[in-house]
Amino acid sequence: GAVVSQHPSRVICKSGTSVKIECRSLDFQATTMFWYRQFPKQSLMLMATSNEGSKATYEQGVEKDKFLINHASLTLSTLTVTSAHPEDSSFYICSARDLLSGGKAEAFFGQGTRLTVV
Amino acid sequence: QKEVEQNSGPLSVPEGAIASLNCTYSDRGSQSFFWYRQYSGKSPELIMSIYSNGDKEDGRFTAQLNKASQYVSLLIRDSQPSDSATYLCAVSRSGSNYQLIWGAGTKLIIKP
Repeated sequence: GAVVSQHPSRVICKSGTSVKIECRSLDFQATTMFWYRQFPKQSLMLMATSNEGSKATYEQGVEKDKFLINHASLTLSTLTVTSAHPEDSSFYICSARDLLSGGKAEAFFGQGTRLTVV
Repeated sequence: QKEVEQNSGPLSVPEGAIASLNCTYSDRGSQSFFWYRQYSGKSPELIMSIYSNGDKEDGRFTAQLNKASQYVSLLIRDSQPSDSATYLCAVSRSGSNYQLIWGAGTKLIIKP
């Protein structure tokens, strides 16, 4: 299957600082990438849909000024958690679909980023 | 009613038996259906995709789709302890060429 690389896999930051997470599709063009957050023992929660060259679409309740998403190329999307607080500590996962395959395209996931804000 | 429903489990199955995981969905126009496996602390990985009614087999895994009943299932034959994980069902949203709707997942435990 297609490869999606997410970096870093684990990060610890101080409260009030910002953290950038990168998501790359390595062997296909991802016109659309998705950012999820998952708290322990809970389901995936879609935060936003990132479209190459345009503004991201955020899900209800997700602060766009806090979770900045940039999708500047067909292979790279970034999520920046600004002014992080302990309640932002979570597992962040990106996903991409190879939409050249049409609506049947499977979603492939990055390895995830475990963010801990202290 | 949730758009994609799964029994949260845990579902406990003896090693070597068949594990049966079920998923129902509400969007009648959905065309693509996926099963993902997620180990604790890891991101989901794709196991099976299915697009037409009937069965699709891949090794020990069989996906079954019944669009009339809006039902998709995953069977795991000869279950192994390494199959213990949370299994997520995902369904494409009709009218959208990229949105997937996710179930909350079923936790499967294979007992040696």
